[in-house]
Amino acid sequence: NAGVTQTPKFRILKIGQSMTLQCAQDMNHNYMYWYRQDPGMGLKLIYYSVGAGITDKGEVPNGYNVSRSTTEDFPLRLELAAPSQTSVYFCASSYAAGVQGKTQYFGPGTRLLVL
Amino acid sequence: KQEVTQIPAALSVPEGENLVLNCSFTDSAIYNLQWFRQDPGKGLTSLLLIQSSQREQTSGRLNASLDKSSGRSTLYIAASQPGDSATYLCAVRLTNSGYALNFGKGTSLLVTP
Repeated sequence: NAGVTQTPKFRILKIGQSMTLQCAQDMNHNYMYWYRQDPGMGLKLIYYSVGAGITDKGEVPNGYNVSRSTTEDFPLRLELAAPSQTSVYFCASSYAAGVQGKTQYFGPGTRLLVL
Repeated sequence: KQEVTQIPAALSVPEGENLVLNCSFTDSAIYNLQWFRQDPGKGLTSLLLIQSSQREQTSGRLNASLDKSSGRSTLYIAASQPGDSATYLCAVRLTNSGYALNFGKGTSLLVTP
């Protein structure tokens, strides 16, 4: 299994540009998540999905959109990039059985710089 | 709002030492607590997951404990090795926060030969 894969690894955007961060998992996990990690800070949840067709906001959703058309893919869309979105973005997935949940598996991250 | 604090922020130890990393959280209504390892420029790797009903989990040289009532967890690393050098993150999942994990800022560990 490849686990959780993310593309691209690194991207530079100009203010106002748009882009989609790709995330895919091959573990047949129901749950997928997008986090951002700012320098010296913990990760913060942007959006999550509990299954195909179902998404919900996390702690910091403003400026982002997501979709979940398949179990495997969970792309994150930035419509109008702003310098405040400069960060490292991590995608994760898990198979949550019951309310206590299971381990989240993380991708390698996408480093985004908005200038 | 759940606050997760990790102490110390950075730690440097000689190879072979046993060490303890600390994590504290303000809301004891948690489902579970997870310890992750993050290598520079890489994603997170889950080390140990402790459910709220458990007191500790062990994996090899790692042992994590959980005291929900006091809002604390510790990660014990025995006989540290240079390969243990990384940032260690603690994350808790609250019972009332959907599926979000609340992360601490991490402890940066350097094990010198």
